[in-house]
Amino acid sequence: DIQMTQSPSSLSASVGDRVTITCRASQSISSYLNWYQQKPGKAPKLLIYAASSLQSGVPSRFSGSGSGTDFTLTISSLQPEDFATYYCQQSYSTPSFGPGTKVDIK
Amino acid sequence: QVQLQESGPGLVKPSQTLSLTCTVSGGSISSGSYYWSWIRQPAGKGLEWIGRIYTSGSTNYNPSLKSRVTISVDTSKNQFSLKLSSVTAADTAVYYCARDSGKLYSSGWLYYFDYWGQGTLVTVSS
Repeated sequence: DIQMTQSPSSLSASVGDRVTITCRASQSISSYLNWYQQKPGKAPKLLIYAASSLQSGVPSRFSGSGSGTDFTLTISSLQPEDFATYYCQQSYSTPSFGPGTKVDIK
Repeated sequence: QVQLQESGPGLVKPSQTLSLTCTVSGGSISSGSYYWSWIRQPAGKGLEWIGRIYTSGSTNYNPSLKSRVTISVDTSKNQFSLKLSSVTAADTAVYYCARDSGKLYSSGWLYYFDYWGQGTLVTVSS
């Protein structure tokens, strides 16, 4: 099984801040990495697929990078609607998710 | 616009079988190169992929649940279903159905969950 870790587990930030979340895989997954945003009581929403491809309709302030075992999700200028939990997910083998990173208001 | 909706009992007794159905609207479940997945999330915790089915009937399951899981598809009703047997309190969670879309790259197919149902809470309790 491929294990996914994320750091930090939570962070506090202000509107307008640049936010970076890191995801690491226990073995190389090439670019088979997706990112999701989840708000309380809602289903996850796809943000990024294939490590760096922006899903249709997702604001361009979201970007992803990385390959192999280390990946990042960056929000260039945090907006009020971006306060949520973010999950990475590998699709290299049996799908698995990271534990999540909660972004809340400072 | 594709929409997915989970349905089924919200309360299941321990040792019994959890059964859920996902109804797909806004498109045929048989069209395109899609898998159809089940994912769950215990309260306050992370996401766990349960398994998926292709419209041909081909399935893949999470090894940790494989012995208890069956996923099936009914293309005539545009639905797919989950059965999880011998449930315990640890199976209490919000259960989501999702479309598993794929794109072909030089390295192979990459899949991602692009449409999700709203989720349904299933509680295992006597």
